[in-house]
Amino acid sequence: GQQLNQSPQSMFIQEGEDVSMNCTSSSIFNTWLWYKQDPGEGPVLLIALYKAGELTSNGRLTAQFGITRKDSFLNISASIPSDVGIYFCAGHTWETSGSRLTFGEGTQLTVNP
Amino acid sequence: DSGVTQTPKHLITATGQRVTLRCSPRSGDLSVYWYQQSLDQGLQFLIQYYNGEERAKGNILERFSAQQFPDLHSELNLSSLELGDSALYFCASSAGTTNEKLFFGSGTQLSVL
Repeated sequence: GQQLNQSPQSMFIQEGEDVSMNCTSSSIFNTWLWYKQDPGEGPVLLIALYKAGELTSNGRLTAQFGITRKDSFLNISASIPSDVGIYFCAGHTWETSGSRLTFGEGTQLTVNP
Repeated sequence: DSGVTQTPKHLITATGQRVTLRCSPRSGDLSVYWYQQSLDQGLQFLIQYYNGEERAKGNILERFSAQQFPDLHSELNLSSLELGDSALYFCASSAGTTNEKLFFGSGTQLSVL
């Protein structure tokens, strides 16, 4: 089945630093999405990307849909303590069995004040 | 608040027992998805229902079953529980049959002792 390789697994940074994480796959996806999971909560959608090469921002977050359609990255600028959480990439595609959403393993982000 | 309601928030039970997890989707959403999140497995898709009908199946064990009722709420039944079933179980909903943009509940933490 499809697998997403998300890296890094964890990051420990100082408040104010920029963060970068990425996802790669051997399969092509039609849509890339980034979710964030706060402690004790369910994942929340941050950004959705629909076209190869697309660069989209949401406040301090910027994400790009790779040109090969097999990768995506997420950048967070000027991190703050509330950025703490687990960030998941997800790839969406259509298969003969229907719509399929595959999640990466997550990047655990810790921000030290 | 995602608008997706899951109960109970925590569940502690013993091996061999059976439990039922409940989910109410966002108002107007017809699709309900169930995911399992364990420490070493990330977010694993279990099953999707759309307007009362099973739409897609993931890595759901035969001991697990789900259904979606006419009022669109859903229940996930877990039987003959094993220690390895301990995990966070999330319900998510979306408006249509595709599952790009999911809205997740806060999850049910299941502990099997």
